[in-house]
Amino acid sequence: GQSLEQPSEVTAVEGAIVQINCTYQTSGFYGLSWYQQHDGGAPTFLSYNGLDGLEETGRFSSFLSRSDSYGYLLLQELQMKDSASYFCAVRDLVGFQKLVFGTGTRLLVSP
Amino acid sequence: GAGVSQTPSNKVTEKGKYVELRCDPISGHTALYWYRQSLGQGPEFLIYFQGTGAADDSGLPNDRFFAVRPEGSVSTLKIQRTERGDSAVYLCASSLRDSTDTQYFGPGTRLTVL
Repeated sequence: GQSLEQPSEVTAVEGAIVQINCTYQTSGFYGLSWYQQHDGGAPTFLSYNGLDGLEETGRFSSFLSRSDSYGYLLLQELQMKDSASYFCAVRDLVGFQKLVFGTGTRLLVSP
Repeated sequence: GAGVSQTPSNKVTEKGKYVELRCDPISGHTALYWYRQSLGQGPEFLIYFQGTGAADDSGLPNDRFFAVRPEGSVSTLKIQRTERGDSAVYLCASSLRDSTDTQYFGPGTRLTVL
């Protein structure tokens, strides 16, 4: 099975950089994804790491280290609209179509 | 283009009643997923369809839950004899093909069982 742990809440100010960590215990997976969800809204895909290393998409970057069972999402130049919940997720090797989501991190960006 | 749509957006029912939740995926997406999300938690997988068939229903909590996708497009999640513990947001997602990490989610149906 899969278990993905995230900090429950992170706070930051506009313009800052914040890192949201995801540590996992897993029997194997295809890759680590990140989804953003605003209150009352749908989860939306942000980033994917199939291989170890850093992936950059605009203000967002994501990192994966399989040897350390660890990944993170890095958000730069924070904006108020970035206030949302962020979930890491894996697609595991058994039943590989489904996503297994982490516990979620609520990001609060203040002026 | 149109995203994944779900109806109703909110559903309030009484314990013991039957409910149906509808999902209309993105046109052309062959893979469809149902998840359930409780307050403050991440989505939990319920069932996956590839075309018309349920390829993986390992996440359905018990036999009160059932889902169909008769024509390979719209899907309906059916819950019999609802219980208060079924209260949650039910999310539907679709993807262009299976085995992809990019799933497109609908806004969800908030089910409240009184």
